[in-house]
Amino acid sequence: GQQVMQIPQYQHVQEGEDFTTYCNSSTTLSNIQWYKQRPGGHPVFLIQLVKSGEVKKQKRLTFQFGEAKKNSSLHITATQTTDVGTYFCAGGYNNNDMRFGAGTRLTVKP
Amino acid sequence: DAGITQSPRHKVTETGTPVTLRCHQTENHRYMYWYRQDPGHGLRLIHYSYGVKDTDKGEVSDGYSVSRSKTEDFLLTLESATSSQTSVYFCAFSREGTDTQYFGPGTRLTVL
Repeated sequence: GQQVMQIPQYQHVQEGEDFTTYCNSSTTLSNIQWYKQRPGGHPVFLIQLVKSGEVKKQKRLTFQFGEAKKNSSLHITATQTTDVGTYFCAGGYNNNDMRFGAGTRLTVKP
Repeated sequence: DAGITQSPRHKVTETGTPVTLRCHQTENHRYMYWYRQDPGHGLRLIHYSYGVKDTDKGEVSDGYSVSRSKTEDFLLTLESATSSQTSVYFCAFSREGTDTQYFGPGTRLTVL
């Protein structure tokens, strides 16, 4: 069935280091969305990618959508303590189904 | 905030009791969703609604029912709660023509 795999499950970094989380689908996606959930909070939408090979940036965050529209990544440059939280990808399929990845929990040591 | 609230925010109940969670939105959106969040599983869709009295099952609908008698309210009911339904439940809406989810604050449910 349609499923989105996300790795790693956890990532602990020193402040200033970079961070990347990856999502992969076995079938082609129509789009991919990224969300951030702060500890104790609710998921908040960050961005949506639709086009093959698309790259979008939000300050220190870089989002990529693979050429085959089956994978995506979120890269944070020079992490800060405010980046702490769990990052989820959500893959959208052509049948209007949407599946969330399991999330990557990021902790940042000051 | 996105104009969506959930009640109660926390609930502890016993196995076998019925439980109803309420989601309320103030912006007249047609599409609403109920998810559960568990460690290692991310967010999984339970049920969704595309209008008053129009609902459909999601990925993990067994043991849950929903009702939508008014646009602003989407209720999730556990007819007979089980310990496996201990989870954090999030309600969400999406705007017409998009599937971006706007989440409520969540309800933490513990079934003893």
